[in-house]
Amino acid sequence: QKEVEQNSGPLSVPEGAIASLNCTYSDRGSQSFFWYRQYSGKSPELIMFIYSNGDKEDGRFTAQLNKASQYVSLLIRDSQPSDSATYLCAVSRAAGNKLTFGGGTRVLVKP
Amino acid sequence: GAVVSQHPSWVICKSGTSVKIECRSLDFQATTMFWYRQFPKQSLMLMATSNEGSKATYEQGVEKDKFLINHASLTLSTLTVTSAHPEDSSFYICSARGDGGTQYFGPGTRLTVL
Repeated sequence: QKEVEQNSGPLSVPEGAIASLNCTYSDRGSQSFFWYRQYSGKSPELIMFIYSNGDKEDGRFTAQLNKASQYVSLLIRDSQPSDSATYLCAVSRAAGNKLTFGGGTRVLVKP
Repeated sequence: GAVVSQHPSWVICKSGTSVKIECRSLDFQATTMFWYRQFPKQSLMLMATSNEGSKATYEQGVEKDKFLINHASLTLSTLTVTSAHPEDSSFYICSARGDGGTQYFGPGTRLTVL
């Protein structure tokens, strides 16, 4: 079992729709959770982080965390073609500690 | 703020040579930097954690004598790939830990070993 698992996709969504990405992790000691976006040939860029159970919203993005289920998700509202990228889920035992990445979910937003 | 640079952005070298990659935090000090490697269509794999003024901590399976890491200042860490071989061809990405613990990634260095 991988430490951090994501559906590789591609997840195809029409422009303007909601993209829903899921991530599960195996280490119950994980305390910090991150979503990164990576365009082809580029390095990851941080979208948002979440530390507490529940929802956290930032613009068109909402992260949801459920530690009991060891599950974190990312919703992208009003998806745009520029959102087409690979989304990486990463977890760590504490903020600032080393990150363990999932394999990433490729998202394609079609105009 | 929180800008991390890497140099070079790409490098092509002959098998058996050594290559040095620099990672700099431009507008903040980073006591901890991380080095990752990413092969095509795969996710990032942590190679080592670099702490300023002390020896790096390598992940299991990463040869410390082949991948030399130096973190001599609060804004600079270097990764030297010694005696590079074609299988070392990859995308090497560093990150620097900023305030609050968030990691900020550099733009990456694409290494091709012929």
